[in-house]
Amino acid sequence: NAGVTQTPKFQVLKTGQSMTLQCAQDMNHEYMSWYRQDPGMGLRLIHYSVGAGITDQGEVPNGYNVSRSTTEDFPLRLLSAAPSQTSVYFCASSQGLAGALSEQFFGPGTRLTVL
Amino acid sequence: GNSVTQMEGPVTLSEEAFLTINCTYTATGYPSLFWYVQYPGEGLQLLLKATKADDKGSNKGFEATYRKETTSFHLEKGSVQVSDSAVYFCALGSGTGKLIFGQGTTLQVKP
Repeated sequence: NAGVTQTPKFQVLKTGQSMTLQCAQDMNHEYMSWYRQDPGMGLRLIHYSVGAGITDQGEVPNGYNVSRSTTEDFPLRLLSAAPSQTSVYFCASSQGLAGALSEQFFGPGTRLTVL
Repeated sequence: GNSVTQMEGPVTLSEEAFLTINCTYTATGYPSLFWYVQYPGEGLQLLLKATKADDKGSNKGFEATYRKETTSFHLEKGSVQVSDSAVYFCALGSGTGKLIFGQGTTLQVKP
């Protein structure tokens, strides 16, 4: 199993550009989520999904869109990048809800810089 | 709302020293508690977990006990190694399905 994969590993954008961060998992997990990691702030939940066709907002959803058309994929879209979105982005998946016993499996991260 | 507070780092220890990283939480109901570890350049991975009061999670020599009376989940290890150098995150999971992380504590172990 590849686990959770993310692409790209690094990305530099200009303000106002759009892009999609890709996330895929091959563990047949129902729950997937996106976090951003900023210095001194830990990880903050952006959006999450409890299954194909179902998504919901996390703690910091503004400026990001998600969709979940398949169990495997959960892309994160930045419609108009801003410097405040400079961060490291992690995708994670788990078999059950994060609030239960389920361990979350994290991808390696995407380091995004917005100029 | 739910929240997690960790001791600020960085924590610098010599090899074989005793480690404690404090974590306290605020939550309604009966959350699950986790410690995740992030090695340089990698994503997070689960270190240990506890799902109810007085449970002790343990893994790789690390331990943490879920203390409801003090709302704490402190991470301990009796003898740290250089390979334990990483960032450690305390996290709280609730019935909403959301995982709330502390700000992370950087541990540096010197030989």
